[in-house]
Amino acid sequence: DGGITQSPKYLFRKEGQNVTLSCEQNLNHDAMYWYRQDPGQGLRLIYYSQIVNDFQKGDIAEGYSVSREKKESFPLTVTSAQKNPTAFYLCASSMAEYTEAFFGQGTRLTVV
Amino acid sequence: AQSVTQPDIHITVSEGASLELRCNYSYGATPYLFWYVQSPGQGLQLLLKYFSGDTLVQGIKGFEAEFKRSQSSFNLRKPSVHWSDAAEYFCAVERGSQGNLIFGKGTKLSVKP
Repeated sequence: DGGITQSPKYLFRKEGQNVTLSCEQNLNHDAMYWYRQDPGQGLRLIYYSQIVNDFQKGDIAEGYSVSREKKESFPLTVTSAQKNPTAFYLCASSMAEYTEAFFGQGTRLTVV
Repeated sequence: AQSVTQPDIHITVSEGASLELRCNYSYGATPYLFWYVQSPGQGLQLLLKYFSGDTLVQGIKGFEAEFKRSQSSFNLRKPSVHWSDAAEYFCAVERGSQGNLIFGKGTKLSVKP
């Protein structure tokens, strides 16, 4: 079945450690996105990529990094510079400008 | 600046009652508007979207929404709520592509038996 796979579903890390969240899609979508969700805050865009080897900062990119070496994959690294990394992270993808975005099931990151 | 406001943080309705969730947007051009639903700990599912044309749009699961430019609103409605509709609902406006969205803070819907 086609879809977006985020792994792992739950992730625990110690403060000061970098951590990478995985996002893979087999929908042949060109664009991919990372959102952060905090209770009562809605979703906020971290980074997005329209094509391979290119990506742009979203609204809250500080403390995060991404790469887009393959069309199918858009991993997000939460660095130690991110002051409040504990959150629910959602990955999405879309075919092109005028097509629906599909969301993964999310990764809940807890930093202790 | 572009923004989306969902005035109601939490709404409780009885099963079988009608539902209306409010959404107001601020956007300079013609907005592309969306409603998503999220079950606890899950991703988002698109309920419906408005791009142009008929201002009343139909979505999945019996939901509909009406775009009112004069009121900058895009309210979500359902005539008869089912217990399975309990979830969090997000209104969003597009900026550049359907994945690049500005979201409201969400409305949590509880359904009483």
